[in-house]
Amino acid sequence: AQSVTQLDSQVPVFEEAPVELRCNYSSSVSVYLFWYVQYPNQGLQLLLKYLSGSTLVESINGFEAEFNKSQTSFHLRKPSVHISDTAEYFCAVSLTGAGSYQLTFGKGTKLSVIP
Amino acid sequence: DVKVTQSSRYLVKRTGEKVFLECVQDMDHENMFWYRQDPGLGLRLIYFSYDVKMKEKGDIPEGYSVSREKKERFSLILESASTNQTSMYLCASSFWDSSYEQYFGPGTRLTVT
Repeated sequence: AQSVTQLDSQVPVFEEAPVELRCNYSSSVSVYLFWYVQYPNQGLQLLLKYLSGSTLVESINGFEAEFNKSQTSFHLRKPSVHISDTAEYFCAVSLTGAGSYQLTFGKGTKLSVIP
Repeated sequence: DVKVTQSSRYLVKRTGEKVFLECVQDMDHENMFWYRQDPGLGLRLIYFSYDVKMKEKGDIPEGYSVSREKKERFSLILESASTNQTSMYLCASSFWDSSYEQYFGPGTRLTVT
């Protein structure tokens, strides 16, 4: 079975400052890794994913995450946050390969960007 | 644009009532999912379905049932609502071969009094 730990439940940060949201996972087999974002009063949407290849993956709005197999981590970073980044962020894992596999989510990190 | 819609944004029901939550997707996705979201607990999978009339239990199926009679529609049923089922319910869908890329509805906030 897989599990995901998000180390911070809330992260306040000033606008234009950098931010890192931490995620560690546990699995006895290979996994895919994801970050989902939930803006206020909305459902979740996929922010970025690691399936294979380059361990550094980027989103269209400036976030990036790096897969570190030795540390079993997939931390999310942004060099300069905006007010619009205020949201809850969920790290998730899935078994690899095609098929109907469940996503296992972490408990979420609420990012609050302070003007 | 992928669309997953849920029948209600807010719902208030009394203890013991039978509750239906409806979800419809327009992307011809094979998979559909029901989650509940609670503060500090993240998302927990209740049930999922990979085809019409097929269902699989998730992590917390107790007190819930589901129905999938058509590919685009997945219903969550609370046979006898209880106060501990007060929560945000999220529906999602995906293609069979990329079940990790799920598209979520806006959620239904259910309050059971």
